[in-house]
Amino acid sequence: EAQVTQNPRYLITVTGKKLTVTCSQNMNHEYMSWYRQDPGLGLRQIYYSMNVEVTDKGDVPEGYKVSRKEKRNFPLILESPSPNQTSLYFCASSHNREVKNTGELFFGEGSRLTVL
Amino acid sequence: AQTVTQSQPEMSVQEAETVTLSCTYDTSESDYYLFWYKQPPSRQMILVIRQEAYKQQNATENRFSVNFQKAAKSFSLKISDSQLGDAAMYFCAYRSSLGATNKLIFGTGTLLAVQP
Repeated sequence: EAQVTQNPRYLITVTGKKLTVTCSQNMNHEYMSWYRQDPGLGLRQIYYSMNVEVTDKGDVPEGYKVSRKEKRNFPLILESPSPNQTSLYFCASSHNREVKNTGELFFGEGSRLTVL
Repeated sequence: AQTVTQSQPEMSVQEAETVTLSCTYDTSESDYYLFWYKQPPSRQMILVIRQEAYKQQNATENRFSVNFQKAAKSFSLKISDSQLGDAAMYFCAYRSSLGATNKLIFGTGTLLAVQP
């Protein structure tokens, strides 16, 4: 089954304790990205990656890091989480636009993160 | 920069009735994609319908259809014969056809309640 898998789905942590949210896709997508969803703000892009070893900042990258060492994986790293990073996080993937691109993003099931 | 506006934070519809969700956007581009995503309580982001800007014909998917007014930069979603399972948050989203990124720009969402 084609899917984007995120872990953990739920996490409660404390300020300053490093954490990683993993994302893996099995559709051989070149493009992967992270979004955060906050009430009244919709979804906003944090980071994206066009391919292996190629990453770039989105609209709200502060406090986050990413890496793309393998095509299927795109972890989101919070080095020193703060309460304002409490949010619902989505990983998404697609083919790059030059490769059978319909414009659609495929989303993971979301990770609810609470930073105390 | 492109923006997407959903002016209805909440809507309600009776089961079997029709409801229309509004979305406007701002862009200087002529070619782009527009989407409606559904987010049920499970939090999964589900693509409902997609519209390519160069196509004049409005997209339809079973009970879901759009009214795409390119000159007015309007992209409303009509749900016919509403069902209880349609209750969800609905997000309108824009994606440019230019540049390399596949970033989606989301509106703030409309929470749809379906009354039995």
